[in-house]
Amino acid sequence: DTGVSQDPRHKITKRGQNVTFRCDPISEHNRLYWYRQTLGQGPEFLTYFQNEAQLEKSRLLSDRFSAERPKGSFSTLEIQRTEQGDSAMYLCASSLASSTGNEQFFGPGTRLTVL
Amino acid sequence: GQSLEQPSEVTAVEGAIVQINCTYQTSGFYGLSWYQQHDGGAPTFLSYNALDGLEETGRFSSFLSRSDSYGYLLLQELQMKDSASYFCAVRADYGQNFVFGPGTRLSVLP
Repeated sequence: DTGVSQDPRHKITKRGQNVTFRCDPISEHNRLYWYRQTLGQGPEFLTYFQNEAQLEKSRLLSDRFSAERPKGSFSTLEIQRTEQGDSAMYLCASSLASSTGNEQFFGPGTRLTVL
Repeated sequence: GQSLEQPSEVTAVEGAIVQINCTYQTSGFYGLSWYQQHDGGAPTFLSYNALDGLEETGRFSSFLSRSDSYGYLLLQELQMKDSASYFCAVRADYGQNFVFGPGTRLSVLP
């Protein structure tokens, strides 16, 4: 257990529905990341926050995806009008901006299945 | 574009030494990280190299050559618990956009 928690751990939804995932990072970490991982592949960067500011977003990220970190603590990732291709593990990670090693602590992930 | 290459699978026996290579082609380079991921688990950080050379942390070492766009993870005194997938990840810009490789699945045999 890294101290990063994600909820829910599993989500099954029908195509076209909206889903929202939550990530609670390690409390003193000011950086928060969202990744997507499919079977047999490495994590794919989606977006990154420093405190409450969303500083980077993948150019590959569809407009159906949106993320927030309103108070610089927990974050939510929403996917609107889900598609079957959205089925994946969604990972959240956090880190300290002062970390020289850029060490990211990952949560257990939310596995999304779109039927 | 950004691309990282790693061998897809490596097999070794307990007590042996194994090297997992990573070559990268990215628009920029600010550092190379290595992560371990057990089946069903989350990635866990192993090491980070921003400068050329070897970094040692216990049984694991990581090497970087920026001129060759190449790095490797060296695992010594292999144990069964080291069976996992290993990912290299490049910090490709001054921000925090980390590009992960496809991963190398290491199987350690008794």
